[in-house]
Amino acid sequence: DAMVIQNPRYQVTQFGKPVTLSCSQTLNHNVMYWYQQKSSQAPKLLFHYYDKDFNNEADTPDNFQSRRPNTSFCFLDIRSPGLGDAAMYLCATSRDFGGQETQYFGPGTRLLVL
Amino acid sequence: AQTVTQSQPEMSVQEAETVTLSCTYDTSESDYYLFWYKQPPSRQMILVIRQEAYKQQNATENRFSVNFQKAAKSFSLKISDSQLGDAAMYFCAYNTDKLIFGTGTRLQVFP
Repeated sequence: DAMVIQNPRYQVTQFGKPVTLSCSQTLNHNVMYWYQQKSSQAPKLLFHYYDKDFNNEADTPDNFQSRRPNTSFCFLDIRSPGLGDAAMYLCATSRDFGGQETQYFGPGTRLLVL
Repeated sequence: AQTVTQSQPEMSVQEAETVTLSCTYDTSESDYYLFWYKQPPSRQMILVIRQEAYKQQNATENRFSVNFQKAAKSFSLKISDSQLGDAAMYFCAYNTDKLIFGTGTRLQVFP
C-alpha cells in the first residue's frame, strides 16, 4: 500500500545533541510537510517542500532544518535540541500544493529530549 | 489571519449513538476547503471528510457527515452509529494554501 513512513517512531536525544528524523513516501507526491505537535495541541507547520523548493514558515526556529534529497525522502534536522523541542513530529505529503489537496500523514516520531 | 476554533475539548458518546463535533472558523476568503481529520491514539492522522466552500451540499462519507454553514462559518461533524473505533482526537482544519488546524476534540466512545 502506498503510504507515508516515519522512522524512528520514538527518538530519545540529549539536550544539545543533533538529531535527524526521517520520512519517506511511496505516493510519489510533489509536496512534503513537517509539522510539530506538542501534547494536546494542534499540529504546527514547520516547513514544506514543493519538489526541491523549500518553504520555511516565518516562525520556525533556525534550529530546525530540512533536506529533501529526492522525491521519496525528507529529513528533519534539529541542530541543538532543547527541552522545549520535545514533541511529536509529523510528516505529511500531498500530490500538489493548494487548498483542495488532501494531506496524507505518517504515524509520527515522538522526540524526547533529556 | 485565518483561525479555526473547536470549542469542545472532550466529548463522549455511547456506542451506536450519534454525536456532533463543533467547529467554527474565521476567514475573509470566499473559496477554501475544510477538512476533518481523525488521529487515533498512537496512530496516524487520517482524513475523515472534506468540504469545498463553494459547494452548498453537505459532504457525507458513510457514517460521517458535515453541517456546513458558510455564512455562519461553521463546519460541524456528525458521527452516526458511533463505534468503539471512532475514539480518537478529531481536528477540524481550514485550507487555502496550508492547513490550519483547530485545537482538537477528544472523542470517547463507551460500550
